[in-house]
Amino acid sequence: DQQVKQNSPSLSVQEGRISILNCDYTNSMFDYFLWYKKYPAEGPTFLISISSIKDKNEDGRFTVFLNKSAKHLSLHIVPSQPGDSAVYFCAASWNTDKLIFGTGTRLQVFP
Amino acid sequence: EAQVTQNPRYLITVTGKKLTVTCSQNMNHEYMSWYRQDPGLGLRQIYYSMNVEVTDKGDVPEGYKVSRKEKRNFPLILESPSPNQTSLYFCASSLSSGGTQYFGPGTRLLVL
Repeated sequence: DQQVKQNSPSLSVQEGRISILNCDYTNSMFDYFLWYKKYPAEGPTFLISISSIKDKNEDGRFTVFLNKSAKHLSLHIVPSQPGDSAVYFCAASWNTDKLIFGTGTRLQVFP
Repeated sequence: EAQVTQNPRYLITVTGKKLTVTCSQNMNHEYMSWYRQDPGLGLRQIYYSMNVEVTDKGDVPEGYKVSRKEKRNFPLILESPSPNQTSLYFCASSLSSGGTQYFGPGTRLLVL
């Protein structure tokens, strides 16, 4: 039972355009959400997070949106750069319990 | 530099030969965890530890053991590896269980 789902295994975006990565979850108790970025041959690194009391969090080119009623969150990258090409994982937790990760989306930003 | 280190980074072994993957963090984190990453399955938690001498099973603990004798170290032990344990393994640590986790560089294991 996959509680956190990333239905798009891959996404290809032109440099300068917006990248939108999506994540859906099934457990309405989740209260903290994170996005991680992973380059080949490296461990995932934390990118941005949002708590359930907010619906948006912004950090530079990265913005995470949370729609609790739809149990959906998204990561927007504007403008996309070639260095953003990586695998992106969303993750969720509740009541400071363990993180549950999605299956990942591979983003490719081409010139 | 704050970091999580894992050793070895790459390992090829044969079925049944016991192995240990070490993990160490220098951030004084209480929570440590092991994950495996497999195609199409994302990151799945194997074992975790809330503090020294406190460990518990994650989602896929079968075939693995862990220990937490010191705060900074959290080794993953495969007593009798099997080919289905061929995977990419990550150790992670954080201040608390649901918080931001810091990952090691990964250990790619091939069991023949």
